[in-house]
Amino acid sequence: DAGVIQSPRHEVTEMGQEVTLRCKPISGHNSLFWYRQTMMRGLELLIYFNNNVPIDDSGMPEDRFSAKMPNASFSTLKIQPSEPRDSAVYFCASSLSGAANYGYTFGSGTRLTVV
Amino acid sequence: DAKTTQPPSMDCAEGRAANLPCNHSTISGNEYVYWYRQIHSQGPQYIIHGLKNNETNEMASLIITEDRKSSTLILPHATLRDTAVYYCIVRGSGGSNYKLTFGKGTLLTVNP
Repeated sequence: DAGVIQSPRHEVTEMGQEVTLRCKPISGHNSLFWYRQTMMRGLELLIYFNNNVPIDDSGMPEDRFSAKMPNASFSTLKIQPSEPRDSAVYFCASSLSGAANYGYTFGSGTRLTVV
Repeated sequence: DAKTTQPPSMDCAEGRAANLPCNHSTISGNEYVYWYRQIHSQGPQYIIHGLKNNETNEMASLIITEDRKSSTLILPHATLRDTAVYYCIVRGSGGSNYKLTFGKGTLLTVNP
């Protein structure tokens, strides 16, 4: 099992540009989460999908952020336009919902730097 | 979610047991205790979880007090690679209890 796969690992972009982060969850997992980590705020949940449907997007900071899950094996997090304060490490995680005994499996993250 | 309290940092000598405490005095009956760790520059990694009984796996042991208001994660023989931030999280099961809310955790430093 390759685990949760995120791409790219690093992204440097200029302010105002569009950024797309990608995630491939573990096969068979039906829940997917996007987290953001900064020194100031720690790990924050941005959005949660269950069976490809967004269930909770209350953590999405503003309209510049959007996330999609077109199928069970792929999700994207898009920032348009990007700003320097969006610089952070973005993690994707997946799990099997309905099974309380399952923990989340996190990907290795995408380190985003907006200059 | 019930809140947890952890010491900000701890040290441990290599080869010795590391005992990481966590207080969760407001935990409710159907909430589990989860432990994750995050090694520098990596994603959080699941370690172990439990409801009321003590649990052990290949990574660690989890001791939950009888009143469930606190727990201890035990790494029996800490190595340098166990240096990480350790998060204690409580979460209910099923339904809307999907959210893992991470606090600041405990930075465990294993010294040679």
